[in-house]
Amino acid sequence: GNSVTQMEGPVTLSEEAFLTINCTYTATGYPSLFWYVQYPGEGLQLLLKATKADDKGSNKGFEATYRKETTSFHLEKGSVQVSDSAVYFCALTIHGSSNTGKLIFGQGTTLQVKP
Amino acid sequence: SQTIHQWPATLVQPVGSPLSLECTVEGTSNPNLYWYRQAAGRGLQLLFYSVGIGQISSEVPQNLSASRPQDRQFILSSKKLLLSDSGFYLCAWSVSWDYGYTFGSGTRLTVV
Repeated sequence: GNSVTQMEGPVTLSEEAFLTINCTYTATGYPSLFWYVQYPGEGLQLLLKATKADDKGSNKGFEATYRKETTSFHLEKGSVQVSDSAVYFCALTIHGSSNTGKLIFGQGTTLQVKP
Repeated sequence: SQTIHQWPATLVQPVGSPLSLECTVEGTSNPNLYWYRQAAGRGLQLLFYSVGIGQISSEVPQNLSASRPQDRQFILSSKKLLLSDSGFYLCAWSVSWDYGYTFGSGTRLTVV
């Protein structure tokens, strides 16, 4: 089946530290990969995406590279800020999945950044 | 530009009462629509999705139902709420499998 596995949180970092949140996937087809961010009390926002192998998605200083050989899509940021504190979700959809576009989410990783 | 509206933002309902949550999308046609639930401290569970008017697919058996009476309107309902229905409900729309979702701001439902 199709699934997404994220590293367990919470991840606690000091401001300006380097961030990595691991995400691996299993897919029966050819997936597109996404990272979403959820700030406290809010809905989810698309952070970045990659639709084919070796693509790098980037936004707001965050980056993730679609690695087909390791079935991974790890999220990175060189210098985190307190305002990055949120829950981060890795997700995938499968090409041509009956046109439903269903997103399969990981369980989410909470990031806490301390000043 | 496309926008998605979800209301109410918060709701406190007694056990056994009915529920109706509404979601509307503007600025696009024939979107795929989704209802997710996020229980406290947990991940996202897909409840229903719809690829067109009157077309509803259910992902999990439960106490809830969904309807799509218009192209850009998606409604989540229950005839009798259970305590286990408490959670954060999110509506989302998408136009294709690789587009990603745009989420509404969510409804926090507490059943007491």
